[in-house]
Amino acid sequence: DAGVIQSPRHEVTEMGQEVTLRCKPISGHNSLFWYRQTMMRGLELLIYFNNNVPIDDSGMPEDRFSAKMPNASFSTLKIQPSEPRDSAVYFCASRPSEGSGANVLTFGAGSRLTVL
Amino acid sequence: EDQVTQSPEALRLQEGESSSLNCSYTVSGLRGLFWYRQDPGKGPEFLFTLYSAGEEKEKERLKATLTKKESFLHITAPKPEDSATYLCAVQAHLQGGKLIFGQGTELSVKP
Repeated sequence: DAGVIQSPRHEVTEMGQEVTLRCKPISGHNSLFWYRQTMMRGLELLIYFNNNVPIDDSGMPEDRFSAKMPNASFSTLKIQPSEPRDSAVYFCASRPSEGSGANVLTFGAGSRLTVL
Repeated sequence: EDQVTQSPEALRLQEGESSSLNCSYTVSGLRGLFWYRQDPGKGPEFLFTLYSAGEEKEKERLKATLTKKESFLHITAPKPEDSATYLCAVQAHLQGGKLIFGQGTELSVKP
């Protein structure tokens, strides 16, 4: 398995622009998580989905952030408009619902976002 | 509020010098405690899950232990390739599947 695939790996944009981050979870995993990592705040959960349905979005900073999971193999995290304080590494993670690894999150390599 | 605190923030060891990393937690009903390793520019990589006080898990030079208030990651005779940031996370019974992470301990092992 190729693991959790994220794109782009790096994104540099200007304040006010729309940013879309993409994630392909591991096939067969039915839970998907979006985390943000900064030096100051560490890893913060933004939102997670079970079976493509958003379960907890309490970590989404504000209305500028939105996430979708239209099917089991794809999710997007969108920031519109972007601000310099959104600069961070955004991680997507997935996990299966049952089996020996049911509680274990597998992370992607991350998308490093820089907003100028 | 569920919370995870890791110490120290950074740890420098000489190769072969054993030590321990601490993870203190407060959670409303622990479902599981997780240790991850993160290398620069990469996503966290799973190491261990611990579910109940007294449980221990081992992998090569690493050993994780759990009490009702904290977990330790013991590193025995570390090597330079053990250098990484080690993250601790908790999962609570009433919080669904989400993990709450600590800030991590950055470990550097010098030859």
